Amino acid sequence: NAGVTQTPKFQVLKTGQSMTLQCAQDMNHEYMSWYRQDPGMGLRLIHYSVGAGITDQGEVPNGYNVSRSTTEDFPLRLLSAAPSQTSVYFCASSWGQGANGYTFGSGTRLTVV
Amino acid sequence: AQKVTQAQTEISVVEKEDVTLDCVYETRDTTYYLFWYKQPPSGELVFLIRRNSFDEQNEISGRYSWNFQKSTSSFNFTITASQVVDSAVYFCALSEAKAAGNKLTFGGGTRVLVKP
Repeated sequence: NAGVTQTPKFQVLKTGQSMTLQCAQDMNHEYMSWYRQDPGMGLRLIHYSVGAGITDQGEVPNGYNVSRSTTEDFPLRLLSAAPSQTSVYFCASSWGQGANGYTFGSGTRLTVV
Repeated sequence: AQKVTQAQTEISVVEKEDVTLDCVYETRDTTYYLFWYKQPPSGELVFLIRRNSFDEQNEISGRYSWNFQKSTSSFNFTITASQVVDSAVYFCALSEAKAAGNKLTFGGGTRVLVKP
């Protein structure tokens, strides 16, 4: 099993560019989410999905869009990149509530110049 | 609202010393789950432990041990006889059973540097 796969691992964008961070899981997990990690702030929830076709905002959703057309995939779109979006992004999936734990991808390091 | 506080931003120890990482949490839910993750320099998140709110038993796994105290809302983590490979950032996290989207709330992390 691959678990949660994130691509790319590294990306440099210019301010104003758009891009999509990919996340795929092969565990048939119903919950998927995106977090961003900034120094001293731990990881913060951007968007989440509780199943195909259902998404909602997390703690820091501004500047990001998501969609969940399949159970496996949960891409994160940056609409117009800003330097404040320079961060490390993690995708996670889980089955049911917290009791079952979470599986994290290996992260995407994004730099916006 | 759920909140996790890791007051220690960085701890430096010499190899073989013990190190304790503090974690204090806030929640209104009676059912919740607490986690510790390790993030080595390579950047991935490594799951260490999950504890539910109904299980206050302390746990030991090799050189790692965890002390869960509901009375003080704390879930502290101790590394015994630290090694250089323990150098990493450690995150404490909380998930409430009723949290929308299975949200996981992280503390700010504690960077542990183990010197040889």
